[in-house]
Order: sequence, then C-alpha cells, then structure tokens
Amino acid sequence: DTGVSQDPRHKITKRGQNVTFRCDPISEHNRLYWYRQTLGQGPEFLTYFQNEAQLEKSRLLSDRFSAERPKGSFSTLEIQRTEQGDSAMYLCASSRGLLLPDTHYFGPGTRLTVL
Amino acid sequence: KNEVEQSPQNLTAQEGEFITINCSYSVGISALHWLQQHPGGGIVSLFMLSSGKKKHGRLIATINIQEKHSSLHITASHPRDSAVYICAVLSLMNYGGSQGNLIFGKGTKLSVKP
Repeated sequence: DTGVSQDPRHKITKRGQNVTFRCDPISEHNRLYWYRQTLGQGPEFLTYFQNEAQLEKSRLLSDRFSAERPKGSFSTLEIQRTEQGDSAMYLCASSRGLLLPDTHYFGPGTRLTVL
Repeated sequence: KNEVEQSPQNLTAQEGEFITINCSYSVGISALHWLQQHPGGGIVSLFMLSSGKKKHGRLIATINIQEKHSSLHITASHPRDSAVYICAVLSLMNYGGSQGNLIFGKGTKLSVKP
C-alpha cells in the first residue's frame, strides 16, 4: 500500500493551454474522487468514480473539464483552454467503497498555476 | 451560509497548551471527518466519526449528532502540530447509492509556538 499518488505535483501553464493530471489511487480502492482547493478555502468536490463509472459531477465542473477512469484504476483530469480562475490545488482521494461511510485517503495534490 | 462552519479560522498557541477546534454543520450527516493539511497541500485523515468520541495519541475528536457539532482537541500541543485542520462531512443526501463525496469547512490554521 503506497498511498494515493498524483502527477505532476506542480504545473505552470499559459492561459488557453490544455493540461492533464493523473491520479493513482490505493490499489483495490473502488472509489476515486477529485476535489479542487483554492487559496484559503476548503476543498470543493468536482467529480467521483465508482470503479470506472463516473457517478457524480459538480456544477463546478464546466464543459472544459473532463475526467476518466478507464480501467477502474488510475484516473485523469483534463482541463481544456485553461483560464486564470482554474489556478488551484487539485486533490485526488480514494476509498474502499465497500462499506459506507468510508475513510478518504488523499494524494499530495497537483498545484496548477495558469499565467 | 456554508453547510460546514469551523471556528476559529486562525489559532496561535504556545507549546504545551490544550487546543480546541470547533465544527458546526447544517445538514444531516452519516459521518464527519477531521483532516490535517500541511503546507504543500497533502491531506491526512485523522478521524472519521459517526457518534461519540475517538482518541488517537494526543488527538481527541468528539461529535454531538443532535447539536450538529464536533470538536477536535489537541492535548500538550507541539510545534509539529502546526497545520490546517479541516472538518468535512458526508451528508445524508450524499450517503449510499451512487454518491459519497465530502463537504468541507474552510479549515482552521493552527500555529504552535515553541
């Protein structure tokens, strides 16, 4: 059990560029969550997977955002045509998903800066 | 009004002091998490509570479901406890079925001085 990992840890991009982040959950964890955290605020829910199925998306997830978990293991979060308002820490978490309620295990986050 | 409110927003303490951080929520919940976030962003889950009280080392978490309130206590605080402490709830509206995301407070920034 190596914990939840995220890649990259930091990303600086220019406005209008596309970026993609990856999250590797703890193996055998069925649930995977994406959250976004802006400076001085608590994290906000973006989207959630149960295995490979994306079961819920927040209103925060505009059509420029897309997330996948193709084989029910790792997940990617893509932001197209980035805007300065997308600058934030993007957090991934996973949980077993077998018995609710369920402890979340968080990754280190990807800090995105859009210039 | 936020569904999860924490107080205080900022807290400075001297090493050795007893610390209390409070969390109030306005929704029915199935569980409440206390999380610790260090500079750089990594979040660690400290406790998940559905009722009563839990203790781990110098940390104690309590919850009163009827009053919709939880507290996190740190005994004999130490500079290494300096971090942001976040309360997050799993609301009953998101419980079971296909949902399970957390609703977070804004966090309490704790600084413990030596």
